[in-house]
Amino acid sequence: EDQVTQSPEALRLQEGESSSLNCSYTVSGLRGLFWYRQDPGKGPEFLFTLYSAGEEKEKERLKATLTKKESFLHITAPKPEDSATYLCAVQDYGGSQGNLIFGKGTKLSVKP
Amino acid sequence: DTEVTQTPKHLVMGMTNKKSLKCEQHMGHRAMYWYKQKAKKPPELMFVYSYEKLSINESVPSRFSPECPNSSLLNLHLHALQPEDSALYLCASSQLTSGRRTGELFFGEGSRLTVL
Repeated sequence: EDQVTQSPEALRLQEGESSSLNCSYTVSGLRGLFWYRQDPGKGPEFLFTLYSAGEEKEKERLKATLTKKESFLHITAPKPEDSATYLCAVQDYGGSQGNLIFGKGTKLSVKP
Repeated sequence: DTEVTQTPKHLVMGMTNKKSLKCEQHMGHRAMYWYKQKAKKPPELMFVYSYEKLSINESVPSRFSPECPNSSLLNLHLHALQPEDSALYLCASSQLTSGRRTGELFFGEGSRLTVL
């Protein structure tokens, strides 16, 4: 059965304090791994797609990486506006009919 | 700014009411989705439309009735809901590539539903 586990559940950082969020996954055949950002009371916002181990994507202070078992979202010198819940999701070639399997998210708080 | 527009943003209804949630996108996406999200939980898939045809119904109770009038519009008709149906309802769209849905979903801001 496909599974996505995100850690930590919550992360508090000081402005400028770099850190990483983890997403570990189990799928029969990975079609893609996706990162989303969600602000309170809003819909998720697509950030990155990763397809194969070794792939990296960057956007401003965020960098996503992928191995065969997990993905990391690295946040460099975060700012308060980076505070949000970050969701990881996977799509496989197998029995989930191409539907996204979401993790429970990591709630990031960045204090000035 | 999101390119998927949902109305209304907030809805309060009684258990005997009939109401509808509406969603519109103009990105040319041919896959559209309804998700339900409870507080501190990830989005939970309800329905998927591909090429305006219902392709996935995740065993959703019949008091939720989806409709896709055309490739840009998606509705969710609500009838005889229960208080536990109170949640944020999210519409999303994505491209279809070789008939397969991509995982890059574009979400609307959601409709916050409260059932009294």
